[in-house]
Amino acid sequence: EAQVTQNPRYLITVTGKKLTVTCSQNMNHEYMSWYRQDPGLGLRQIYYSMNVEVTDKGDVPEGYKVSRKEKRNFPLILESPSPNQTSLYFCASSFRRETGEQYFGPGTRLTVT
Amino acid sequence: QQQVKQSPQSLIVQKGGISIINCAYENTAFDYFPWYQQFPGKGPALLIAIRPDVSEKKEGRFTISFNKSAKQFSLHIMDSQPGDSATYFCAASITWGRTNAGKSTFGDGTTLTVKP
Repeated sequence: EAQVTQNPRYLITVTGKKLTVTCSQNMNHEYMSWYRQDPGLGLRQIYYSMNVEVTDKGDVPEGYKVSRKEKRNFPLILESPSPNQTSLYFCASSFRRETGEQYFGPGTRLTVT
Repeated sequence: QQQVKQSPQSLIVQKGGISIINCAYENTAFDYFPWYQQFPGKGPALLIAIRPDVSEKKEGRFTISFNKSAKQFSLHIMDSQPGDSATYFCAASITWGRTNAGKSTFGDGTTLTVKP
């Protein structure tokens, strides 16, 4: 089954404790992207990657890191999480020629206390 | 700076009615305009999309109207059904081969409720 998977689906952590949210896709997509969704603010792009070893900042990259060492994986790293990073996070992927048509994962709900 | 403005924030429609959601964008570099549908507890799913060289696109009960000069586009849902009750997001993307390809900006979302 073609899909984007994220782990964990739910995470409660404390301020300053480094964490990684994994994202993996099995559709051979070149393009992957991370978004955060907050009530009333829609989805805001954090980082995106057009291919392996190529990453670019989205609209809200502060406090986040990403890496793209393999085509199928695009982990999101919060090195020192803060409460304002409490949010619902989505990973998405697509073929690079079709970046407007993205497949989204199920989401990761992160709470930072 | 909000580059894509979506309205209304919420919409209540009777079954069989027409639902209309509007979006406006600022950055003329955007060249692809998708709409996504999201049900509670799920990730957004692509519904329909349009390129700026086309003024209208229809897929079943869903139609996108696009006005390039006004930098506006809208989603029309004909014969709205209770199963259409969801949150709808418009988006604007810069696609392959262009500067900043891969950048996507979403509207704030519209919560649609279709009453039986």
